[in-house]
Amino acid sequence: GDQVEQSPSALSLHEGTGSALRCNFTTTMRAVQWFQQNSRGSLINLFYLASGTKENGRLKSTFNSKESYSTLHIRDAQLEDSGTYFCAAPNNNAGAKLTFGGGTRLTVRP
Amino acid sequence: GPKVLQIPSHQIIDMGQMVTLNCDPVSNHLYFYWYKQILGQQMEFLVNFYNGKVMEKSKLFKDQFSVERPDGSYFTLKIQPTALEDSAVYFCASSFTKPSAETLYFGSGTRLTVL
Repeated sequence: GDQVEQSPSALSLHEGTGSALRCNFTTTMRAVQWFQQNSRGSLINLFYLASGTKENGRLKSTFNSKESYSTLHIRDAQLEDSGTYFCAAPNNNAGAKLTFGGGTRLTVRP
Repeated sequence: GPKVLQIPSHQIIDMGQMVTLNCDPVSNHLYFYWYKQILGQQMEFLVNFYNGKVMEKSKLFKDQFSVERPDGSYFTLKIQPTALEDSAVYFCASSFTKPSAETLYFGSGTRLTVL
């Protein structure tokens, strides 16, 4: 079946630094969606991409459909960025559900 | 942005009883979904629903589970009877078109504890 693999599984950053999270797909996906799950458990929509790159504040995401991966870059990390970041992609059979990756647990330290 | 509301936020229930989780999706959305998450782990797809019918369900969507959305009211997930392994956070989501074409919007989840 369709697989969505995220790396790293956990990441620790000092405030003000940055890093990249990666999402690999085992098959060609038509789109990707990125979410942040905060400390209260709510899922916050970050990006939806069908191709290319989108940027929003300190976050930037790229989706490369041909090479089957997506990245989420965080720069100037803040304490409130802590949480679990999930990527998800629609399945290819009918495209009517999202399959989630295992998530990256990000901890931002002072 | 668009909001999906889930009621209640927490529910504690004895094993064997029935529970109904309610979801108020975004008003013009046509596709509805339930996901299950145990202890902050991976989000697992349960079921999607369109035009009054289940389109697809996973192995986690046991026979004790059912969904409906009578006359445009709440989109509900009913579990009857509940089992201990049903304890999890259940997320509802909705979209106007399929997720291959646009964003899914998620509610804040209902934390279900089965004792």
